[in-house]
Amino acid sequence: ETGVTQTPRHLVMGMTNKKSLKCEQHLGHNAMYWYKQSAKKPLELMFVYNFKEQTENNSVPSRFSPECPNSSHLFLHLHTLQPEDSALYLCASSPGSNQPQHFGDGTRLSIL
Amino acid sequence: AQSVAQPEDQVNVAEGNPLTVKCTYSVSGNPYLFWYVQYPNRGLQFLLKYITGDNLVKGSYGFEAEFNKSQTSFHLKKPSALVSDSALYFCAVIGAGNMLTFGGGTRLMVKP
Repeated sequence: ETGVTQTPRHLVMGMTNKKSLKCEQHLGHNAMYWYKQSAKKPLELMFVYNFKEQTENNSVPSRFSPECPNSSHLFLHLHTLQPEDSALYLCASSPGSNQPQHFGDGTRLSIL
Repeated sequence: AQSVAQPEDQVNVAEGNPLTVKCTYSVSGNPYLFWYVQYPNRGLQFLLKYITGDNLVKGSYGFEAEFNKSQTSFHLKKPSALVSDSALYFCAVIGAGNMLTFGGGTRLMVKP
């Protein structure tokens, strides 16, 4: 148990659907992150939030929209995704930006 | 720009033998270095970190890593491998930019 919970664990959606991924941490951390992990590719940082403010957006397409309503919750809203967006989406949190990150177990996303 | 290289996609070791997973990095400023492990269908788990101090860092599950500034390396080691150590291992670095950069990962296979 890492203290970071992601739901759902698995998601299958069509290209025209709208869905959201949820991440929750009760570790008292101030920073939260979204990563994309695809087969045979390095871990890709997508978004970073510090104290609920977005501080990093790594050229992520607008069909991915993050939301951080408070320091414990992070969402990733999905709309009009492409087949190449199928991947494992990992959420992480850390006390500060140079501290070890604690990861959730991810959401396995499949786009039909 | 900072970067992390894990030159081996896969490392094969017999159970009971010592193991080494290699990592080299490139950053400006003093590096903060990390190792993470990922088991199937799970998120990344923090193993150990180097911030400052002793070059040999001890972490979870009997793993250790040696920081070598002149060679810009941070290799992960364990004196005696277990079959249960089989997993995907990631090296990561934080440099002056305060962002965590991951290597591409190395799959460790420990054979009985």
